[in-house]
Amino acid sequence: KAGVTQTPRYLIKTRGQQVTLSCSPISGHRSVSWYQQTPGQGLQFLFEYFSETQRNKGNFPGRFSGRQFSNSRSEMNVSTLELGDSALYLCASSLVVPSTNEKLFFGSGTQLSVL
Amino acid sequence: AQTVTQSQPEMSVQEAETVTLSCTYDTSENNYYLFWYKQPPSRQMILVIRQEAYKQQNATENRFSVNFQKAAKSFSLKISDSQLGDTAMYFCALDSNYQLIWGAGTKLIIKP
Repeated sequence: KAGVTQTPRYLIKTRGQQVTLSCSPISGHRSVSWYQQTPGQGLQFLFEYFSETQRNKGNFPGRFSGRQFSNSRSEMNVSTLELGDSALYLCASSLVVPSTNEKLFFGSGTQLSVL
Repeated sequence: AQTVTQSQPEMSVQEAETVTLSCTYDTSENNYYLFWYKQPPSRQMILVIRQEAYKQQNATENRFSVNFQKAAKSFSLKISDSQLGDTAMYFCALDSNYQLIWGAGTKLIIKP
């Protein structure tokens, strides 16, 4: 069974641009969550989707948005990129309910560099 | 606000030794879950062990065990007989209202 797939692995953008990251969950998983990881700060929760509905959202500005498709694949978008958006963006999927006490399966992330 | 604190930015031990990683947290919830995740250089976060707050018995997974002190809000991870493959970043996390609150991580290096 394929794991969580995130594309692209690396991305370089300039300030002011926008970017879209993709996440394909494990087959059969319906919940997808996104995290931003920066050195020394651990992971910050961005948002979570379950059955195409955003169920939970972290404390990020409106420039960060996401969506989930009917096949459970998810995308996140960051508009008007800032230098501080440089980070590793991780996606995680879980089987059924959008609950963090379910086992989460993570992808290898997209490393975004904003110049 | 819920917080998770890992006070050891980096640790290193010799192979086969035992190492303990510290984690303290703060929450007003009575029922919650605590986790230790491992992130090797491949960047993929892997669940190491999970503890349910209402269970007094400390969780154990093979060489990995926790010391859960609910009153002290402490959740340390013990790795016995450490192996080179244990080299990774280790993150402590708290489940709070369907969000995971993460510590800043501890970089663990196992030396041959």
